[in-house]
Amino acid sequence: DQQVKQNSPSLSVQEGRISILNCDYTNSMFDYFLWYKKYPAEGPTFLISISSIKDKNEDGRFTVFLNKSAKHLSLHIVPSQPGDSAVYFCAASPRITGNQFYFGTGTSLTVIP
Amino acid sequence: EAGVAQSPRYKIIEKRQSVAFWCNPISGHATLYWYQQILGQGPKLLIQFQNNGVVDDSQLPKDRFSAERLKGVDSTLKIQPAKLEDSAVYLCASSQDRRTEAFFGQGTRLTVV
Repeated sequence: DQQVKQNSPSLSVQEGRISILNCDYTNSMFDYFLWYKKYPAEGPTFLISISSIKDKNEDGRFTVFLNKSAKHLSLHIVPSQPGDSAVYFCAASPRITGNQFYFGTGTSLTVIP
Repeated sequence: EAGVAQSPRYKIIEKRQSVAFWCNPISGHATLYWYQQILGQGPKLLIQFQNNGVVDDSQLPKDRFSAERLKGVDSTLKIQPAKLEDSAVYLCASSQDRRTEAFFGQGTRLTVV
């Protein structure tokens, strides 16, 4: 039972343009959401998070948007750079219980120079 | 600040053999996780420790997998006997507590032949 879904396995974007990665979840108990970035042969690296009390969180070129009613979040990267090419994982957790993180299957982003 | 350390990086064993992985979390992090990531999937939690106590091991195949976290610091994950389907990357992660983001090690790639 996949509680966190990333329906786009891959995405290609031109350098300098916006990259939008999407994530859907099914568990209404999730109240803490994270994005991780993963390069080949490395572990996932924490990128940005958002709590359910917010609908937007920004950190430099990265912005995460949360739509609780739709159970949907997205990661925007502006402007996209070739070094952003990696696999991006969405994760969610019922933070109030301090429970585990549930991960999506990942979206492979390629930024074309 | 030193990150999460894991060893070995790679391991190839024959089915029915045993194998052990080691993890040293970020200093001061109370929560430690072991995740299994099969190719093309997102990380799946195997076990979660809070200090040296187990918080969640509901997805750990206990007939063949075991884990311990002595003194609430380092942790080892063991598989005995290994099966072909255990081929995956085993990721260790740690967080300050159960309600903050987790930081991952580089992982151990296990191949069972």
